[in-house]
Amino acid sequence: GESVGLHLPTLSVQEGDNSIINCAYSNSASDYFIWYKQESGKGPQFIIDIRSNMDKRQGQRVTVLLNKTVKHLSLQIAATQPGDSAVYFCAEGGGADGLTFGKGTHLIIQP
Amino acid sequence: GAVVSQHPSRVICKSGTSVKIECRSLDFQATTMFWYRQFPKKSLMLMATSNEGSKATYEQGVEKDKFLINHASLTLSTLTVTSAHPEDSSFYICSAAGGARLDEQYFGPGTRLTVT
Repeated sequence: GESVGLHLPTLSVQEGDNSIINCAYSNSASDYFIWYKQESGKGPQFIIDIRSNMDKRQGQRVTVLLNKTVKHLSLQIAATQPGDSAVYFCAEGGGADGLTFGKGTHLIIQP
Repeated sequence: GAVVSQHPSRVICKSGTSVKIECRSLDFQATTMFWYRQFPKKSLMLMATSNEGSKATYEQGVEKDKFLINHASLTLSTLTVTSAHPEDSSFYICSAAGGARLDEQYFGPGTRLTVT
């Protein structure tokens, strides 16, 4: 289990580089996956989603990859910018069961 | 996309008082609303799910008499933290879903509650 006081995992990348944030999900029955961005003091902001019948989906500067075999989800952000600094959460859903959030990763963009 | 608002965005109250947080879906009918709690540097923890006109369903460990939820209309849900204590200080986030898929949620901006 998670230790009290354990900080979020942190990923630090140089501005302009690509970043990859990983997430392991737990429920093999989940068929919908979402990445959210959360800036300090704000609610989660939808970035991109993917259904279980796909393994890759691209948006503007972001790509989500889904590997159902190992229950792994990743978010790739291309050419990172200072505004990308935030905490990123993956979430899994199964339709009628709502959402289950991952622990989050703090992305820091170094100038 | 759909817009969900919360009010207030931040509130400070004294220990022992109650505070109400509103969650509104501005441009769609939210048949289901969710209330989450988030501690610093932690993920979102679901507190309860509410359906319009029905009693809320609380997650294990969440006191229903402590956190009163009312979902009286398709656009408004309220969370009342009763007899607040400093340990209730947290970031409270609501979300809303308008269809059968409860995993398609639109999130509010959150409310920062500080109990002194």
